[in-house]
Amino acid sequence: NAGVTQTPKFQVLKTGQSMTLQCAQDMNHNSMYWYRQDPGMGLRLIYYSASEGTTDKGEVPNGYNVSRLNKREFSLRLESAAPSQTSVYFCASSETWGEQFFGPGTRLTVL
Amino acid sequence: AQKITQTQPGMFVQEKEAVTLDCTYDTSDPSYGLFWYKQPSSGEMIFLIYQGSYDQQNATEGRYSLNFQKARKSANLVISASQLGDSAMYFCAMREGSGYQKVTFGTGTKLQVIP
Repeated sequence: NAGVTQTPKFQVLKTGQSMTLQCAQDMNHNSMYWYRQDPGMGLRLIYYSASEGTTDKGEVPNGYNVSRLNKREFSLRLESAAPSQTSVYFCASSETWGEQFFGPGTRLTVL
Repeated sequence: AQKITQTQPGMFVQEKEAVTLDCTYDTSDPSYGLFWYKQPSSGEMIFLIYQGSYDQQNATEGRYSLNFQKARKSANLVISASQLGDSAMYFCAMREGSGYQKVTFGTGTKLQVIP
């Protein structure tokens, strides 16, 4: 089992460009999450999906959109990247009340 | 108000000694879960231990134990017999009930184990 996979691992964008971060899990989990991690801020929840077909905003959703394509896949889209979105992005999945399993992260730099 | 508070940005511990990492939480929901994760310098997030709000006993996993004091709303992580490989960032997190699947993380504590 691969667990949680994320692509790409690294990305550099120019301000105003768009991109989609991909996430997939093979553990048949209902819940999936997107976080960003900035120095000194811990992990902040961007969006989450409690089950296939549902998505909800987290703590810092502005500037992002998500799609829960199916039970396995949960993508995060930046429509018009800004330097403030420079961060490390983590995708995670879990059973309803279980621990979260994290992907390896995507390091995004917006110039 | 912060949902999860970790007041120790950095900690040092001597190898083979025990160390306690503090975590306090804030929720009005009677049903919640508390988690600790480890993030080594390589960047991955590793689950360590879980405590449910209705669990009567403190959770333990090998050298990790969770000192759960419900009335004080604290969930401190205790690492016994520290090893050099324990040097990492440690994050406390909470999932609240009532149908929510939102998980909130603290800002983390950087632990350094000294030989």
